[in-house]
Amino acid sequence: GAVVSQHPSWVICKSGTSVKIECRSLDFQATTMFWYRQFPKQSLMLMATSNEGSKATYEQGVEKDKFLINHASLTLSTLTVTSAHPEDSSFYICSAPPNGPNQPQHFGDGTRLSIL
Amino acid sequence: RKEVEQDPGPFNVPEGATVAFNCTYSNSASQSFFWYRQDCRKEPKLLMSVYSSGNEDGRFTAQLNRASQYISLLIRDSKLSDSATYLCVVNIDNNDMRFGAGTRLTVKP
Repeated sequence: GAVVSQHPSWVICKSGTSVKIECRSLDFQATTMFWYRQFPKQSLMLMATSNEGSKATYEQGVEKDKFLINHASLTLSTLTVTSAHPEDSSFYICSAPPNGPNQPQHFGDGTRLSIL
Repeated sequence: RKEVEQDPGPFNVPEGATVAFNCTYSNSASQSFFWYRQDCRKEPKLLMSVYSSGNEDGRFTAQLNRASQYISLLIRDSKLSDSATYLCVVNIDNNDMRFGAGTRLTVKP
């Protein structure tokens, strides 16, 4: 089945650091990737949709300059949290959309980001 | 009203118990439905799809009621390893998926 690899799985860094998270589709090509954020005991919240070769689509309330998304190839999408602060600490997950009707999406392993 | 609603729980049940979760959705155009399991600090993992006729996978049974716009998950003979958060996911289409907040289950010895 489709496999999505996300890296790193856990990041701890100082406030003000920029952190890049990679999401790769290993055995298929993904023209679209979804980026989610999940705070403790809350649901996954869609942040943005990355589109290969074009600009990402951000959800309302998500700062484009804060969360930079790049989808430069059909197998790689990246999310960069710029100048991260403690309130950005969260669980970030990428996913590839379903590859057909009535099919589930494919999640990456998730990245736990902790900003000190 | 949230688009996908679940009882957050927690549900605390003894081993061997039967437990059921419900999930309601607001968009009648929703096309497909899934139950995911999420362990603490892990990514969601697909538990099962939910089909119109209902479907069963071992101890797990999923039901869909389009008229009332809800889906359910039944777990029989609960195991300690079933302890997790169960997410209801509703696909409006391939690029529009909505998540419930999850129902937390703890199975105790």
